[in-house]
Amino acid sequence: RKEVEQDPGPFNVPEGATVAFNCTYSNSASQSFFWYRQDCRKEPKLLMSVYSSGNEDGRFTAQLNRASQYISLLIRDSKLSDSATYLCVVNPRGTSYGKLTFGQGTILTVHP
Amino acid sequence: DADVTQTPRNRITKTGKRIMLECSQTKGHDRMYWYRQDPGLGLRLIYYSFDVKDINKGEISDGYSVSRQAQAKFSLSLESAIPNQTALYFCATGGSGRGEFNEQFFGPGTRLTVL
Repeated sequence: RKEVEQDPGPFNVPEGATVAFNCTYSNSASQSFFWYRQDCRKEPKLLMSVYSSGNEDGRFTAQLNRASQYISLLIRDSKLSDSATYLCVVNPRGTSYGKLTFGQGTILTVHP
Repeated sequence: DADVTQTPRNRITKTGKRIMLECSQTKGHDRMYWYRQDPGLGLRLIYYSFDVKDINKGEISDGYSVSRQAQAKFSLSLESAIPNQTALYFCATGGSGRGEFNEQFFGPGTRLTVL
């Protein structure tokens, strides 16, 4: 089983739609979680950290379910500029501090 | 100016050649990382360094070596390049604080093609 698994998509949605991505992780002791965004042929950039209580940043909402080892990202009112690959990232406890494990990414295309 | 820079940005080379990819950062971070990205495989860690005297192998270090010349500089070398090392290479930095959210910041990447 992969340490971090995501549905690769692609997700094709119209502007204004709400879309949700899911991610599961295998190490139950994992301690920190992130969503990164990567545009085509560009570097990954931090979109948001995922807090235990869930958190929201504008149109983006991240949730963590430790019992199910599951992370989600919800994007409301999708924009064309949201088209990108979204990477689920986990810092597994038990490895050297500061190492991150990346999922393969979920591709999102928002169309007019 | 970018906080994390990589040189070169693109490189085409031949099998057997020695290649060095360089990374510099102005973020003042102790930790630096080298990843490669291949289609369908995501980002994989090659080497990482938590300070100038600390170098560690990642999950795919075979065929690669690194040098941490200073806090701000971390180089990746391919001693004898082979075609399956064709990939997009990213350098990243991270802070050393023991806070919960130890995010990493990436350079723009180096696209390497080995013929």
